[in-house]
Amino acid sequence: DTAVSQTPKYLVTQMGNDKSIKCEQNLGHDTMYWYKQDSKKFLKIMFSYNNKELIINETVPNRFSPKSPDKAHLNLHINSLELGDSAVYFCASSHGLAGAYNEQFFGPGTRLTVL
Amino acid sequence: AQSVAQPEDQVNVAEGNPLTVKCTYSVSGNPYLFWYVQYPNRGLQFLLKYITGDNLVKGSYGFEAEFNKSQTSFHLKKPSALVSDSALYFCAWGALVNGNQFYFGTGTSLTVIP
Repeated sequence: DTAVSQTPKYLVTQMGNDKSIKCEQNLGHDTMYWYKQDSKKFLKIMFSYNNKELIINETVPNRFSPKSPDKAHLNLHINSLELGDSAVYFCASSHGLAGAYNEQFFGPGTRLTVL
Repeated sequence: AQSVAQPEDQVNVAEGNPLTVKCTYSVSGNPYLFWYVQYPNRGLQFLLKYITGDNLVKGSYGFEAEFNKSQTSFHLKKPSALVSDSALYFCAWGALVNGNQFYFGTGTSLTVIP
């Protein structure tokens, strides 16, 4: 069984559209994250939720909105997509806060291409 | 600014030779340090972490890392490289400072040459 899953795996869309990426984990973790990996492979944390509460909210445009309906799910909604949003988005989960000493488990990534 | 640095974008090593992937940190207090690996077109996988205690940390797939406080380094090592070790390696640090912080280094691409 996949521990952290993301859908879709690939997403190709036009500028200005709104899209969502879904993430689910079956590890029983209480903390989930969204990361963006750009074309140079730089990884940056975007959001972190602990027990459905927003913990980390890095400086990202407010077009990005995370939604956590329960501890096992963290979805990412993006409004008014721009060319610069093209990247690979990774979901991750951990038991407890990553800023402590807990390793994260990553999903396979969603490659978003904005045309 | 608090951060980790990976000074080498690319490391090449011959199969069977020892490998080292470098990481230095600039973090006040006692950092929690991690190594992750990313194989092509995959998500990241945890390799090992340093919390406190023994400076030599052993992890998955025969990797280890040494925490060196005087040199502020946390280099990843393996005694004998395999072709299958070829991947992108990320150092990371975390701290419960100003809430919760977690940052990855810029990554080092390791190529093991047969």
